[in-house]
Amino acid sequence: RKEVEQDPGPFNVPEGATVAFNCTYSNSASQSFFWYRQDCRKEPKLLMSVYSSGNEDGRFTAQLNRASQYISLLIRDSKLSDSATYLCVVNPNDMRFGAGTRLTVKP
Amino acid sequence: DTGVSQDPRHKITKRGQNVTFRCDPISEHNRLYWYRQTLGQGPEFLTYFQNEAQLEKSRLLSDRFSAERPKGSFSTLEIQRTEQGDSAMYLCASSLTSRSSEAFFGQGTRLTVV
Repeated sequence: RKEVEQDPGPFNVPEGATVAFNCTYSNSASQSFFWYRQDCRKEPKLLMSVYSSGNEDGRFTAQLNRASQYISLLIRDSKLSDSATYLCVVNPNDMRFGAGTRLTVKP
Repeated sequence: DTGVSQDPRHKITKRGQNVTFRCDPISEHNRLYWYRQTLGQGPEFLTYFQNEAQLEKSRLLSDRFSAERPKGSFSTLEIQRTEQGDSAMYLCASSLTSRSSEAFFGQGTRLTVV
């Protein structure tokens, strides 16, 4: 089993849609969780950290379920500029990335 | 520019040659990570350092791969006897020690083995 698994995607959605990504992790000792965004041919950049109580940043909401060992990312009112690959990151001591979910938002 | 820098940005080498990449992290960052990324995949963990100590190495890191961070600042990743399957983007990232700290990435070194 992979350490971090994500929805395979790709997700193709119209502007304004709501889209959700899930990610599961295998190491129950993991302490911190993140969502990164990676644009084509660019390096990954932090989108948001994921807190135990869940957290929101504008149109983005992240949730953590420790019992089921998964995290989620919800994007509301999708914009064309949200088109990217979204990477789930789990940090027991090092930082392990999921394979990424590609999102394309179309007009 | 005080971000993470990697050198070279691109490297083309013949199969069987050795290559070395350099990463300069953000100066106050204790942790430094190396990843490999191929098209359509997420960054694949290779190894990480806490200061000069190499704390973990991926099983994927064969004996042809070695990484160093001799003074706890910059790091090098060497690949010996390169194979075509080594062709990938090699990413370096750095962060503070805290597990909740964000990792900042360099722009990567793209390796092509011909």
